[in-house]
Amino acid sequence: GQSLEQPSEVTAVEGAIVQINCTYQTSGFYGLSWYQQHDGGAPTFLSYNGLDGLEETGRFSSFLSRSDSYGYLLLQELQMKDSASYFCAVAHSGNTPLVFGKGTRLSVIA
Amino acid sequence: DVKVTQSSRYLVKRTGEKVFLECVQDMDHENMFWYRQDPGLGLRLIYFSYDVKMKEKGDIPEGYSVSREKKERFSLILESASTNQTSMYLCASDGGSYGYTFGSGTRLTVV
Repeated sequence: GQSLEQPSEVTAVEGAIVQINCTYQTSGFYGLSWYQQHDGGAPTFLSYNGLDGLEETGRFSSFLSRSDSYGYLLLQELQMKDSASYFCAVAHSGNTPLVFGKGTRLSVIA
Repeated sequence: DVKVTQSSRYLVKRTGEKVFLECVQDMDHENMFWYRQDPGLGLRLIYFSYDVKMKEKGDIPEGYSVSREKKERFSLILESASTNQTSMYLCASDGGSYGYTFGSGTRLTVV
């Protein structure tokens, strides 16, 4: 079996930092991806972690610990436009489709 | 930029109708996917294809079929639409990097 757990909702203040966690239980593991989806829009790719450690892309960073079956997405200097749903997704192997979590709805408030 | 185009943004169909959802990508990607998205359930994989005329079942293939006659086009077919297939359908394309590019989605309502 396979499962991904992430919080259903998170609220944070504009300008602050927020961390969205993702834990997974899968029969195999190749890497962890993150996607952002605004209401009414398509999911868009944010980052991919194939190795342990932190990947940084501007205000967004993603972390992976394979030994803990855990990763997180870190958003810094939050802006109102960051209000969206964020999905973690796992690749079991190098040639299998992504399995998505149920998503975390982030609300950024003033 | 990779572009994935889904033919319809909104569709309303009657129970029992055969429904075709079309998806075209313009970056010569081998891999294409169909997901459905429902509130609280995230994205669930229906079918995928890693090559022309190749198709594999995902996690929820019942009631669906697919066609991939050309590399750029991946069609999802609802053989006999039912109300529990009312959903948002998302097509995605991938060049092997796990950075999927999604289409804008088709919101299908079956009445």
